Amino acid sequence: DAKTTQPTSMDCAEGRAANLPCNHSTISGNEYVYWYRQIHSQGPQYIIHGLKNNETNEMASLIITEDRKSSTLILPHATLRDTAVYYCIVRVAPNPGNQFYFGTGTSLTVIP
Amino acid sequence: EAGVVQSPRYKIIEKKQPVAFWCNPISGHNTLYWYRQNLGQGPELLIRYENEEAVDDSQLPKDRFSAERLKGVDSTLKIQPAELGDSAVYLCASSKGQDGYTFGSGTRLTVV
Repeated sequence: DAKTTQPTSMDCAEGRAANLPCNHSTISGNEYVYWYRQIHSQGPQYIIHGLKNNETNEMASLIITEDRKSSTLILPHATLRDTAVYYCIVRVAPNPGNQFYFGTGTSLTVIP
Repeated sequence: EAGVVQSPRYKIIEKKQPVAFWCNPISGHNTLYWYRQNLGQGPELLIRYENEEAVDDSQLPKDRFSAERLKGVDSTLKIQPAELGDSAVYLCASSKGQDGYTFGSGTRLTVV
């Protein structure tokens, strides 16, 4: 699975959009981009995933560049409960080993 | 739906003592995973079960770690004897094939 690069930490004002970047310059054509988040003392929680088109669900939007070498997770109106570590993961789907390779993620702090 | 249930939530033991963690996956999920998460790092897979069969235990330290999934439902992960370096959060996850991948809240182990 391709390696990803994320900033170590970010701050965002409550009510504003949080834009979390991820670089995956070695991504292969059959690899999807997944985003998970982990709130303190909880397990990772699925947010969204996509292949090449932009995706939106009730939690967030995922913007993938045309060359697929980077992506941005957007939380449109950040709340204090969005404070968490956000993991960007690229992997083939379906995945033979069906495991996720987590990096160190981005620690997002939403400020009142 | 109860989600993936793990117990205990916290455990403190002295080194060289044994310890066991329990996981109840989501009903109907045939695949079960144990991950270990060290402080400040992302989770890393230890073992994956398909029903009652361990199909990937390549990252499980077999000298002191063992796991079982009798009847293909609940699972236990055991460490005997525990070492200081085993202090971590142990996460259980389950899925139905490639779908519904869900993590539990984890067991935080402290070895003193």
